[in-house]
Amino acid sequence: EVQVLESGGGLVQPGNSLKLSCATSGFTFSTAWMYWYRQFPEKRLEWVARIKAKSNNYATDYTESVKGRFTISRDDSKSSIYLQMNNLKEEDTAIYYCARYGGWFAYWGQGTLVTVSS
Amino acid sequence: DTVLTQSPALAVSPGERVSISCRASEGVNSYMHWYQQKPGQQPKLLIYKASNLASGVPARFSGSGSGTDFTLTIDPVEADDTATYFCQQSWNDPYTFGAGTKLELK
Repeated sequence: EVQVLESGGGLVQPGNSLKLSCATSGFTFSTAWMYWYRQFPEKRLEWVARIKAKSNNYATDYTESVKGRFTISRDDSKSSIYLQMNNLKEEDTAIYYCARYGGWFAYWGQGTLVTVSS
Repeated sequence: DTVLTQSPALAVSPGERVSISCRASEGVNSYMHWYQQKPGQQPKLLIYKASNLASGVPARFSGSGSGTDFTLTIDPVEADDTATYFCQQSWNDPYTFGAGTKLELK
């Protein structure tokens, strides 16, 4: 059974940092492309970051609004990905989801809520 | 980025047939997928590649379309289908979602 579990969310002040984690099991993690998506309070879903597999040199990509502030990484030995979020802004407030890409997104975690507010 | 346009909301009675549309701003081949999201839950894959039923999804759900116009059909609708339905394309990078169609039952 595939499992995806995000953690690390919370309430943080603007300008501060937070690191999200996503632990997975039940599939071959080392060959998987992994994504972070976020869902804003109005329910809009937005792609945040992507990390490809070792065979793709662990290439990363980011949506424009987080470039230079967020960093996605992975640890294949732990079947996990991470999202280091720096200089957080109020507009980053959202539920952050981790998802495995296999042509489409069949497996999602339950999400972790990030609230940026003073 | 590819913009996916969905109707914001629909209301139907149990037992009826409902079609939810999604129009892409550019062609996505058949790489359109549909998700159901209930309050407090993560998105759940219903249909992949336009017309393929995901594992464990009831046959009441079906999908059709190609290119820029796609449809998710539920027939018959049941009370448990109250949810928001999102389309998502994975043909053009970045892979975008529609804004969602909220399905309410009368």
